[in-house]
Amino acid sequence: EADIYQTPRYLVIGTGKKITLECSQTMGHDKMYWYQQDPGMELHLIHYSYGVNSTEKGDLSSESTVSRIRTEHFPLTLESARPSHTSQYLCASSDSLGTGDSYEQYFGPGTRLTVT
Amino acid sequence: GDSVTQMEGPVTLSEEAFLTINCTYTATGYPSLFWYVQYPGEGLQLLLKATKADDKGSNKGFEATYRKETTSFHLEKGSVQVSDSAVYFCALRVGGATNKLIFGTGTLLAVQP
Repeated sequence: EADIYQTPRYLVIGTGKKITLECSQTMGHDKMYWYQQDPGMELHLIHYSYGVNSTEKGDLSSESTVSRIRTEHFPLTLESARPSHTSQYLCASSDSLGTGDSYEQYFGPGTRLTVT
Repeated sequence: GDSVTQMEGPVTLSEEAFLTINCTYTATGYPSLFWYVQYPGEGLQLLLKATKADDKGSNKGFEATYRKETTSFHLEKGSVQVSDSAVYFCALRVGGATNKLIFGTGTLLAVQP
């Protein structure tokens, strides 16, 4: 059972507001990821982290920023939300010590963001 | 670069029908391969995995075999249920320290009673 949590699950907010999407995991995983999921279902990696104080941009350019001050916590921030940011955001984590070399990722339930 | 090509949906089946969702990949080396499932309103859950050629992953009646010669990892189930209705994603793990996954575009499965 994966122990990775995201809050809020749903957020409707006006243009120009600053928002932070929370992601926490209790598995002690060193690697964490943020994905943006289109309405058409496709997943795009927007940020990842190797560990504390390590963050990298993903494959899809994003105006959001992330931080990793604690192992278990990987929040995503949008300084000024716009309608184009409307999407589902999924957080995931994985361990460096994968079983059988699989290094599977565990996903949170997601945050569905709507910017009006 | 590495990529995953997945059968387009939606796939609509009657209960107890046989399911196949095709997945092929392009990668250097020998990636680990995964099938994830996403139920409505939820995040992704790992369904099954295979880490080397000829491995068969299986879970909840679903199976997929890692075929290096055809670079494929097709998902199958002998008898689907309404509760299997979900989006299915094929993915491969990129080599190196990041553990990054590359996902297919997802296939929506709708099972009718």
